[in-house]
Amino acid sequence: GAVVSQHPSWVICKSGTSVKIECRSLDFQATTMFWYRQFPKQSLMLMATSNEGSKATYEQGVEKDKFLINHASLTLSTLTVTSAHPEDSSFYICSAAMGQGNYGYTFGSGTRLTVV
Amino acid sequence: GDSVTQMEGPVTLSEEAFLTINCTYTATGYPSLFWYVQYPGEGLQLLLKATKADDKGSNKGFEATYRKETTSFHLEKGSVQVSDSAVYFCALSDRGGNKLTFGTGTQLKVEL
Repeated sequence: GAVVSQHPSWVICKSGTSVKIECRSLDFQATTMFWYRQFPKQSLMLMATSNEGSKATYEQGVEKDKFLINHASLTLSTLTVTSAHPEDSSFYICSAAMGQGNYGYTFGSGTRLTVV
Repeated sequence: GDSVTQMEGPVTLSEEAFLTINCTYTATGYPSLFWYVQYPGEGLQLLLKATKADDKGSNKGFEATYRKETTSFHLEKGSVQVSDSAVYFCALSDRGGNKLTFGTGTQLKVEL
């Protein structure tokens, strides 16, 4: 079945530094990828939707300059948390869809970010 | 806009008990409905789905029926196991398949 590989699975960084999270579709081409953030014991909050080769669409309240999303190819999307602060500590999960109108979504295993 | 409401947890059951996790939705048109499961420290895994009214999704002993008249998609399992302990999310996607809208999740704890 469709597999999405997300890494790193966990990362600890210092305040003010940037962290990049990668999400790769291993056996299919992901035309659309989604990035979610999950706070402890809460649901997933959609941060942005990215389509290969175009700019990401951010949800209201998400800072696009802070959470940089790049979807340069059909198999790779990256989320970069710039100038990270402790309040950015969270669980980030990516998801890939195989195309418009396809109702299949495959999730990565998530990245636990801790900013100290 | 679209929304999903599911029962608050945690739900604590003894092994072999019957499970029901309620889920209702609000959406325009005819969404597809999903149940996802999240084990501690992991991402989400698709458990089952239904794409039209009266469809029943099933997997690993879990099942849910798409009820358009009650806008519901309740998750059931006849006999839970300790290994079923996880957080369960109900979700819907619009017909364009553009994005998922999640419920708040329900934590299930199964004890011996």
